[in-house]
Amino acid sequence: GQQVMQIPQYQHVQEGEDFTTYCNSSTTLSNIQWYKQRPGGHPVFLIQLVKSGEVKKQKRLTFQFGEAKKNSSLHITATQTTDVGTYFCAGRSGGSNYKLTFGKGTLLTVNP
Amino acid sequence: DARVTQTPRHKVTEMGQEVTMRCQPILGHNTVFWYRQTMMQGLELLAYFRNRAPLDDSGMPKDRFSAEMPDATLATLKIQPSEPRDSAVYFCASGLGTGVNEQFFGPGTRLTVL
Repeated sequence: GQQVMQIPQYQHVQEGEDFTTYCNSSTTLSNIQWYKQRPGGHPVFLIQLVKSGEVKKQKRLTFQFGEAKKNSSLHITATQTTDVGTYFCAGRSGGSNYKLTFGKGTLLTVNP
Repeated sequence: DARVTQTPRHKVTEMGQEVTMRCQPILGHNTVFWYRQTMMQGLELLAYFRNRAPLDDSGMPKDRFSAEMPDATLATLKIQPSEPRDSAVYFCASGLGTGVNEQFFGPGTRLTVL
């Protein structure tokens, strides 16, 4: 079945440093979504990427979808303590309009 | 502010007992998902429904887990009998099923089986 790998598993940064998490799928994706889960909370939707090579920005967050639609990345510029949490990518294959396969997430901690 | 609600938020039970978790999806959402989250396995999809019909429950241990949607406002996940390895946070999520089709997660039920 479809697998979504995410690296790194953990990342600790000093406040103000940049952060990147990478996501790779074993199959071509129809779209990919990113979620953030604060400690003790639940996953919250951030964004969806659909087109090959797509780049989207949300303030300090930059999301990219690879040309082959099998990989994606999330980059945070100048991290803040409010960025702490686990970032998940979740891929959707062409076979289903509903099912998402989640990566295991990257836990980001930020030292003030 | 529409939200997915889940009850109970916490459950501690003994091995062998039946556990029932409930979820109220956002009104108007026609897809409902059950996930289990553990440190080791991450977020695992257990089952999901569209228009109350089960579409896929292949992620669920069939011998002890069951998921149903008695009506559009209620989804249930039942474990009988429960085992210590079932200890996890169980999330319910709902979605519109169209458009961006993001999933809205509930706060989760933290289950501990002793």
